[in-house]
Amino acid sequence: EVQLVESGGGLVEPGGSLRLSCVASGFTSSNAWMSWVRQAPGTGPEWVGRIKSKTDGGTTEYAAPVKGRFTISRDDSKNTLYLQMNSLKTEDTATYYCTTEQWVQLWFRYWGQGTLVTVSS
Amino acid sequence: QSVVTQPPSASGTPGQRVTISCSGSSSNIGSNYVYWFQQLPGTAPKVFIYRNNQRPSGVPDRFSGSKSGTSASLAITGLRSEDEADYYCAAWDDSLSGWMFGGGTKLTVL
Repeated sequence: EVQLVESGGGLVEPGGSLRLSCVASGFTSSNAWMSWVRQAPGTGPEWVGRIKSKTDGGTTEYAAPVKGRFTISRDDSKNTLYLQMNSLKTEDTATYYCTTEQWVQLWFRYWGQGTLVTVSS
Repeated sequence: QSVVTQPPSASGTPGQRVTISCSGSSSNIGSNYVYWFQQLPGTAPKVFIYRNNQRPSGVPDRFSGSKSGTSASLAITGLRSEDEADYYCAAWDDSLSGWMFGGGTKLTVL
């Protein structure tokens, strides 16, 4: 069974940092393009960024609101995706999901349960 | 304001056909595939339509997607109470180099 499990969320003050993890199981995540998507309370999903598979270059792309502050990386030996978030702002408060953007001709098929990040003083 | 726009609400009675629209531009819907997601309260989005009109396994064939120009639609036939949820469309935007989600449509089954 394919599973994605996020962790690392919590309460952080504005300007602080947090690192989220997403552990994949049940499939070889190294072949997948992985995305982070966030959802603030009462709003729709917002794409944060993605990392391609190493065979497709392993490059990253980010949404404008987080570019320069957030960094996505992956450790395929651990089947783990990361989201390093720096210079956090109150508007970054949201539930963060990892998802398989593209894997074996499946798009956005698998999602984690989400981890809540609250940025507040 | 979303780059991709949807009506905030839609409704229908059991058995009816309902459509949800999604409007974009030449840089997103006009040149890339459209995806539709269903989201139930407290859960992650679930892909219901990918690449404009393809249904993942497990999604009922009552759901169908279409695209024309810079707009797309999700149609639900034989509406059921369990279809009550939020629906989001999404497409890659070539100008912004990112996935753009619509603001969402809350579907109510009366």
